[in-house]
Formats: sequence, structure tokens, C-alpha cells
Amino acid sequence: AQSVAQPEDQVNVAEGNPLTVKCTYSVSGNPYLFWYVQYPNRGLQFLLKYITGDNLVKGSYGFEAEFNKSQTSFHLKKPSALVSDSALYFCAVRDTGSSASKIIFGSGTRLSIRP
Amino acid sequence: DAGITQSPRHKVTETGTPVTLRCHQTENHRYMYWYRQDPGHGLRLIHYSYGVKDTDKGEVSDGYSVSRSKTEDFLLTLESATSSQTSVYFCAISEGNQPQHFGDGTRLSIL
Repeated sequence: AQSVAQPEDQVNVAEGNPLTVKCTYSVSGNPYLFWYVQYPNRGLQFLLKYITGDNLVKGSYGFEAEFNKSQTSFHLKKPSALVSDSALYFCAVRDTGSSASKIIFGSGTRLSIRP
Repeated sequence: DAGITQSPRHKVTETGTPVTLRCHQTENHRYMYWYRQDPGHGLRLIHYSYGVKDTDKGEVSDGYSVSRSKTEDFLLTLESATSSQTSVYFCAISEGNQPQHFGDGTRLSIL
């Protein structure tokens, strides 16, 4: 069975500081990994994905994520946070051997950036 | 945003009434999904479709049915709404291994 965990319900960071939102996963095979962001009263928006290749993936709005196979993690990072980054962030995983329907979402992490 | 429209955006109804939510896409994507979002649970898959008239259950399908008579439309029906089905419902679409794209959601309140 596959699963994904976001251990922090909330992350608070000062503007200009680096931010990290944590995600760990469990799949039986190789993972497809995704990060999404959700703003109030909107659907989830795709940020970045890891399918294969470089472990450091760059995405929208200056975000990046590092795939670490040994630690089964895919943490989201940004070198310098903006107040506008405040939102709800979801990590998602799918086993490459499973169908497109078998994507599992984490419970979400609320990121709050203070001025 | 990808061409996904959910309707209605908000609905309040009473326990025991039938409710149908509509998802319409203009992207011609093969896969369509219905999720519900509840605090502490993230997104949970209700039903999904992998083609016209091809649907399957997700992890929280009890009390819900779906239909897909055309590529562009995916309907979610609550046959007899219950208060536990109060939630925000999201439709998503995808093609192959590409990321899902989401609609803006329907906020459903069952009184």
C-alpha cells in the first residue's frame, strides 16, 4: 500500500528566510511525487513533480523539492519566503506501477509567512 | 487555469434530498476525478473515470454515484444527502502521467 505523510500541520516562517515543508512517502515500487498549493476558495494548483532524473526538481514561483530515496522524502523548499507564499501545501504520491487513479494526497501543511 | 468548471460553486440543502454536482472540462483529458476535502484529511478520492461510461470507486465512495456520458462531463450524485457529506468537493482531470488539474470546488452544506 502507498501512503504519504506531512508531519507538520503548520509551518511559520519570517519573510526573506528559507522555508521547508516536509513530506515522506511509502510506495512498493518507484514513486511519482507531486507538490500542489491551494489558495483560499480555490482548487489545488500544481507546483512541481518528480518522475525520474535529477533529485532536485525546480517548479513554479521559485519553489524546489529534493527527492531523497534513502529517506523516502520529498521536501519542498524555497530560499527566500514571500508573504504571498502563505497557503496550504499538499504533497502527493503515486507508485509508477499503479494506475493514474491511485494518487494519494497528504493531509496538507499550512504555510504562514510573517512580514 | 485548465478548462475545468464546477457547478454549482455553493449549495445548501437538507438531509435526505438528492444532490448532483457537475464537472465540465474543455481539455479532452481521459481521466476525471471527484474528491472531497475535509480538515485533517487532505483530499480523499470518491470516484474516478478513465473514459466515457468507465468509472470506478475511490476510497470514500459509499453514498455517492457518478456518471460520465460524454468526455467533457463528470457528474457526482448524492442519492440521499447526509450531514456527513457536508464538505468541499473538487473535480480534477489528467492525461497519462501528467499532474492533475483541479477545478475551484463546490462547497456543499447538508443541514
